[in-house]
Amino acid sequence: SQELEQSPQSLIVQEGKNLTINCTSSKTLYGLYWYKQKYGEGLIFLMMLQKGGEEKSHEKITAKLDEKKQQSSLHITASQPSHAGIYLCGADLGGNNRLAFGKGNQVVVIP
Amino acid sequence: DGGITQSPKYLFRKEGQNVTLSCEQNLNHDAMYWYRQDPGQGLRLIYYSQIVNDFQKGDIAEGYSVSREKKESFPLTVTSAQKNPTAFYLCASNVQTGELFFGEGSRLTVL
Repeated sequence: SQELEQSPQSLIVQEGKNLTINCTSSKTLYGLYWYKQKYGEGLIFLMMLQKGGEEKSHEKITAKLDEKKQQSSLHITASQPSHAGIYLCGADLGGNNRLAFGKGNQVVVIP
Repeated sequence: DGGITQSPKYLFRKEGQNVTLSCEQNLNHDAMYWYRQDPGQGLRLIYYSQIVNDFQKGDIAEGYSVSREKKESFPLTVTSAQKNPTAFYLCASNVQTGELFFGEGSRLTVL
């Protein structure tokens, strides 16, 4: 079974619109990482969250880790074509630096 | 500049042949990882190593082997026992609980 569930699996948004994607675990997240990937390429680090309730922002992207540390959301404000790609969440689920990943959220931004 | 180098970027193999993918890092990271990515499957952990001369199986280790003789290097061998080896392979490294740094990936195709 998948340890990290990402939803929605894919979404299409119009340029300028906001979007939110989610990453949910049945276990406590000791560290939660968001990456972005263009198909067939390496992963680009976006943000890391470690504390319950933590929120970080970079440019138009904001990520939050809920208080119980079992879910994270990533919000993009006023989406642009450059935001298109696959967003992957990764997490340390056992506190032993063994990092698992979800299946990803495919984001398409229509001009 | 520091980073992770994977080679080759593209590799073709005939069925029944073993192939080794190279992963080298000059970030002085203790931990290194190998992931496999298939369309719609996210990243699945093959093997990881927290320290030189030690490594652990991930979720899909069958048909793969690794070695960690040097801190900088973590090669992955895809053996003929791997039933479906065609995939995109990603190597990564980090310091304990830190951000994962990824290589650009190696795409293996079995003919």
